[in-house]
Amino acid sequence: DTAVSQTPKYLVTQMGNDKSIKCEQNLGHDTMYWYKQDSKKFLKIMFSYNNKELIINETVPNRFSPKSPDKAHLNLHINSLELGDSAVYFCASSQDGGPANYGYTFGSGTRLTVV
Amino acid sequence: GNSVTQMEGPVTLSEEAFLTINCTYTATGYPSLFWYVQYPGEGLQLLLKATKADDKGSNKGFEATYRKETTSFHLEKGSVQVSDSAVYFCALRRGTGANNLFFGTGTRLTVIP
Repeated sequence: DTAVSQTPKYLVTQMGNDKSIKCEQNLGHDTMYWYKQDSKKFLKIMFSYNNKELIINETVPNRFSPKSPDKAHLNLHINSLELGDSAVYFCASSQDGGPANYGYTFGSGTRLTVV
Repeated sequence: GNSVTQMEGPVTLSEEAFLTINCTYTATGYPSLFWYVQYPGEGLQLLLKATKADDKGSNKGFEATYRKETTSFHLEKGSVQVSDSAVYFCALRRGTGANNLFFGTGTRLTVIP
């Protein structure tokens, strides 16, 4: 019954590798997001997709590429991983178009460690 | 623009102490306000919310009142427990579209026995 699920929960990899993180939501939400949380717990939005289309792309290196095969999925692919990419990445989703009464629903996070 | 300013942490309290985490916001119009909580090693969970002025959100003993006159949404709990140790994020959502959730920087709370 998990609303927003992301895999893997932990990812340890070497510099220079390419990796992907997957996210799926079963809420029927319109928009999905990727956030990066640094070691100080600050949340920074990276991407958002509305109905499979990219609608925001904050200043992130082009080594990061989101891919949305359908409205319920938003995956994050990272090329040539660097030490500074180590962080916790959160997927989220939101229902839009109605009152702003609802917050976003977040996944449980993927802790990426680049060694 | 829209922004949220949160009390700097970390905050350390003894069990059963009173908790206040300050949050003020800047927004045009009437945003909805939220508190999220992140327990160690977990994702963000919605703790409580308020959608209009003078509304009080409450959950798990936590409360926050939407104060339009002071543009604040301070989080309070009368008696904290060790299990409340977490990072707390204040947020606002403005409008009906996407990309409209704005977070504060988070406040880490540690409750000691």
